[in-house]
Amino acid sequence: EAGVVQSPRYKIIEKKQPVAFWCNPISGHNTLYWYRQNLGQGPELLIRYENEEAVDDSQLPKDRFSAERLKGVDSTLKIQPAELGDSAVYLCASSLSRGNTEAFFGQGTRLTVV
Amino acid sequence: AQKITQTQPGMFVQEKEAVTLDCTYDTSDPSYGLFWYKQPSSGEMIFLIYQGSYDQQNATEGRYSLNFQKARKSANLVISASQLGDSAMYFCARGDSSYKLIFGSGTRLLVRP
Repeated sequence: EAGVVQSPRYKIIEKKQPVAFWCNPISGHNTLYWYRQNLGQGPELLIRYENEEAVDDSQLPKDRFSAERLKGVDSTLKIQPAELGDSAVYLCASSLSRGNTEAFFGQGTRLTVV
Repeated sequence: AQKITQTQPGMFVQEKEAVTLDCTYDTSDPSYGLFWYKQPSSGEMIFLIYQGSYDQQNATEGRYSLNFQKARKSANLVISASQLGDSAMYFCARGDSSYKLIFGSGTRLLVRP
């Protein structure tokens, strides 16, 4: 069974440019998460989806970040415009349902903003 | 803020020995779960073990066990018979009624041959 797939693995962009990350969760997983992990820290939740509905986006900087999960399957996270402080690893995770005990993570996208 | 505290930024252990990674948490939720994840240098977060707040027994998964002390709000990870491949970052996390994971800052474990 394929795990959570993210692309790209690495991205280097200049500040003020837009960038997008893509995530394909494990088949059948209704819950999808986007986390941001800064260097030397643990991941922090940006947004959680239940199917196609964003049910927790309280940590998402909405002035520049947006996300979508059309049809309740794969998801895209976008930053426009990117700032230097956005350099981090962006992790996508999925779980079978919101009450499920285990979330499976992708390998992440390492973003460097120069 | 209800947070997770991992007080050991780095740990060394000799191959084949056991090691304990500390984790304390803060929560006002009566129902919650505690997780440990391993993050090797490749970057993915690998689920290791889960403990529910109402579980009566400590969780075990192969060489991993969780020393859950509810009154002290601690959930230490014990790795027995350490292997070189255990060298990685280890994150403790708490999940609660909001269905999100709150992570600690991690402990870097280095297994010496």
